[in-house]
Amino acid sequence: GNSVTQMEGPVTLSEEAFLTINCTYTATGYPSLFWYVQYPGEGLQLLLKATKADDKGSNKGFEATYRKETTSFHLEKGSVQVSDSAVYFCALATNAGGTSYGKLTFGQGTILTVHP
Amino acid sequence: KAGVTQTPRYLIKTRGQQVTLSCSPISGHRSVSWYQQTPGQGLQFLFEYFSETQRNKGNFPGRFSGRQFSNSRSEMNVSTLELGDSALYLCASSLELAPAGGYTFGSGTRLTVV
Repeated sequence: GNSVTQMEGPVTLSEEAFLTINCTYTATGYPSLFWYVQYPGEGLQLLLKATKADDKGSNKGFEATYRKETTSFHLEKGSVQVSDSAVYFCALATNAGGTSYGKLTFGQGTILTVHP
Repeated sequence: KAGVTQTPRYLIKTRGQQVTLSCSPISGHRSVSWYQQTPGQGLQFLFEYFSETQRNKGNFPGRFSGRQFSNSRSEMNVSTLELGDSALYLCASSLELAPAGGYTFGSGTRLTVV
């Protein structure tokens, strides 16, 4: 079945530091990959996505590249801000049949705290 | 345009009761899926509906059920509530099944079972 593994958290950084959150996956078929962000008390917001190998998703200074050879989709940002403090989820969806169809499989989430 | 709307936002129920949660998808979206989020288990898939038909179901007991109406609005029901059902229940909608564009989530319903 499908699975997503994220780096253990929490991650604590100072403002303007470089951020990397690792994500690796196992999937049947050809997955689309996503990063979602969850702010306190809210639902999930789609941060970025990539639908095929070597695609780079980007949004609000965040980037992630779909690496099929290493089955990875690491999230990066060059200079984090206090407002980036949130929980980040890596996820995948496939168009394979059976029990994988029509659903997202999530990693366990990584708590990011950015201090001024 | 309006996002995914979930009602109510907060709910407190007593063990043994039943509860119904509602989700209105983005206009034009036909796929609605439900997830349970808990600190211990993370985000777990409950079920997914497309054009009023359940297309996929996660590994939850039969106490968890759902349905989708002709206007794509969806409800999920949990009967005989247990303390462990306390969670944030998230609904997500998309234009189609297994979309490459991603799913749009609502703000969730926070269910507390006492």
